[in-house]
Amino acid sequence: EAGVTQFPSHSVIEKGQTVTLRCDPISGHDNLYWYRRVMGKEIKFLLHFVKESKQDESGMPNNRFLAERTGGTYSTLKVQPAELEDSGVYFCASSQERMHEQFFGPGTRLTVL
Amino acid sequence: GDSVTQMEGPVTLSEEAFLTINCTYTATGYPSLFWYVQYPGEGLQLLLKATKADDKGSNKGFEATYRKETTSFHLEKGSVQVSDSAVYFCALAGAGNNRKLIWGLGTSLAVNP
Repeated sequence: EAGVTQFPSHSVIEKGQTVTLRCDPISGHDNLYWYRRVMGKEIKFLLHFVKESKQDESGMPNNRFLAERTGGTYSTLKVQPAELEDSGVYFCASSQERMHEQFFGPGTRLTVL
Repeated sequence: GDSVTQMEGPVTLSEEAFLTINCTYTATGYPSLFWYVQYPGEGLQLLLKATKADDKGSNKGFEATYRKETTSFHLEKGSVQVSDSAVYFCALAGAGNNRKLIWGLGTSLAVNP
């Protein structure tokens, strides 16, 4: 069974540009989470989907971030326009049930210059 | 709000040394506690977990006991190997509906032969 996959693995963009990160959860996992780790800081929760619905987006930093999960399968996280402080590693995780283990993808390293 | 405080690294040990990485938490209710590990070039993996007070999680020779009286979940291993070199993260999942993870800063461990 394939694990959680994320694309791209690394993205380097300039301030003001747009970037879209993609996460493919494990098949059949209804719960999908996005987290972010900024250098030197702890990993922070961004948001949680159950199927295609946003259950909790309290961790989204501001309205430059837009997450979608059309059809309840893969998810995208768009940053528009990107700022320097958006640099970090973005992790995606999925779980079958809320109380179950979250399986993580390898992360996308975003560098904003 | 809920928080996790984790021993800062980096930690450098010789092979077969004893390892302790301290982790304390602040949370309302009865959180579940986790240790995740990130090996070089890989994603986050669940190492062990405990869901209630006095539970002991164990895996790959690592152990951690959920201590409610000291609000701690310290990670220990009796004899580390070079292959244990990684970054270790302590995390909690609160009693809320979405089970989002609250993370410590992470502790980098390097084991020398």
